[in-house]
Amino acid sequence: AQSVTQLDSHVSVSEGTPVLLRCNYSSSYSPSLFWYVQHPNKGLQLLLKYTSAATLVKGINGFEAEFKKSETSFHLTKPSAHMSDAAEYFCVVSDYSGGGADGLTFGKGTHLIIQP
Amino acid sequence: SAVISQKPSRDICQRGTSLTIQCQVDSQVTMMFWYRQQPGQSLTLIATANQGSEATYESGFVIDKFPISRPNLTFSTLTVSNMSPEDSSIYLCSVDGHGQGGYEQYFGPGTRLTVT
Repeated sequence: AQSVTQLDSHVSVSEGTPVLLRCNYSSSYSPSLFWYVQHPNKGLQLLLKYTSAATLVKGINGFEAEFKKSETSFHLTKPSAHMSDAAEYFCVVSDYSGGGADGLTFGKGTHLIIQP
Repeated sequence: SAVISQKPSRDICQRGTSLTIQCQVDSQVTMMFWYRQQPGQSLTLIATANQGSEATYESGFVIDKFPISRPNLTFSTLTVSNMSPEDSSIYLCSVDGHGQGGYEQYFGPGTRLTVT
């Protein structure tokens, strides 16, 4: 069984300062991990993904995440926050191993607030 | 990547009625997934639909309440039956695929359902 825990329900940062959104996962297999973003009244957009290649993953809009197996973590970071980054962020895990797909398991989400 | 459309984009329905949501993909896919996002909540997987077989439902979701059809490799429907206000949610379909860097899921824009 797989699960994901987003450690903060809300994160507030000032524009231009670093962003850190924390995520821990549990998986029976070698997991695939994703970060999705959802802007208000908009659809889900994939920010980045880890699928057993490089442990440091770069995504869109300057975001990146590092897969740390020893810590079962996949934290999302960005060096400098922009007002347009204000949104809901979901950490997601899948046990997809190449032999078959499961539905994704979503964390509860982190609401990112950017202060001007 | 896959482009997914959903109909309707939103609807307001009376309790006790049923609504069928359509999901269309621009390419043939093996598996399609249906998720629910209740207000202010994360996404929860309802069921997985393979073409030519019965859908597989997650714990807490039953076929009588959420019947799913999957008549071909590009289309699926989800029906929300005998609706109550607790069914007010965004319903999203997704498909799996292999983007750059490996496995991922692509999401439709969602159907926003309000039950009065």
